[in-house]
Amino acid sequence: AQSVAQPEDQVNVAEGNPLTVKCTYSVSGNPYLFWYVQYPNRGLQFLLKYITGDNLVKGSYGFEAEFNKSQTSFHLKKPSALVSDSALYFCAVRDIRGGSYIPTFGRGTSLIVHP
Amino acid sequence: EAGVAQSPRYKIIEKRQSVAFWCNPISGHATLYWYQQILGQGPKLLIQFQNNGVVDDSQLPKDRFSAERLKGVDSTLKIQPAKLEDSAVYLCASSPGGTANTGELFFGEGSRLTVL
Repeated sequence: AQSVAQPEDQVNVAEGNPLTVKCTYSVSGNPYLFWYVQYPNRGLQFLLKYITGDNLVKGSYGFEAEFNKSQTSFHLKKPSALVSDSALYFCAVRDIRGGSYIPTFGRGTSLIVHP
Repeated sequence: EAGVAQSPRYKIIEKRQSVAFWCNPISGHATLYWYQQILGQGPKLLIQFQNNGVVDDSQLPKDRFSAERLKGVDSTLKIQPAKLEDSAVYLCASSPGGTANTGELFFGEGSRLTVL
């Protein structure tokens, strides 16, 4: 089974500083990787995805993620954090079970951006 | 384009009572998902439909949970009887089917269930 791991429960960063939210994956074959954001009392919103091609993927709200095959990582990054970026971030992988594609999520990382 | 609609947003029930959640996916989306999100955890897939057929329900507690998507459009998730550990947010998501499916899911706002 394909899976992702988010090793940090919480990331704290000062506004204006760069941020990184970590994700590692375990897949067989080529991975389909995703990042989603969840604001309080809301559903998840898609940020970006990696399927193939350029290892640096750009997404919504100025976020980007770097696919690193040798380190099996897909870390989410932003050059300059905003207080409004404070939210829960979920890494996800497209698992395959019984011949069907099943989206599987990590446990999430709480990002807190301090003014 | 209208998003994924879910209702109710909030529900409080006593244990052993029943509850039902409704979801209307984005128009034309063939695949519909129900996830359970317990506080502090990532979403866990309960059931995935492709049109009106079940793709995966391996993590659905079938002794108390049921879900249907009879006409391949909207869906209902039912819990009967509810237990304390069912307190969670129930998220519905949809995605296009076939070659239009590039992998990302579109989520509703969720239905928060509290079981007392």
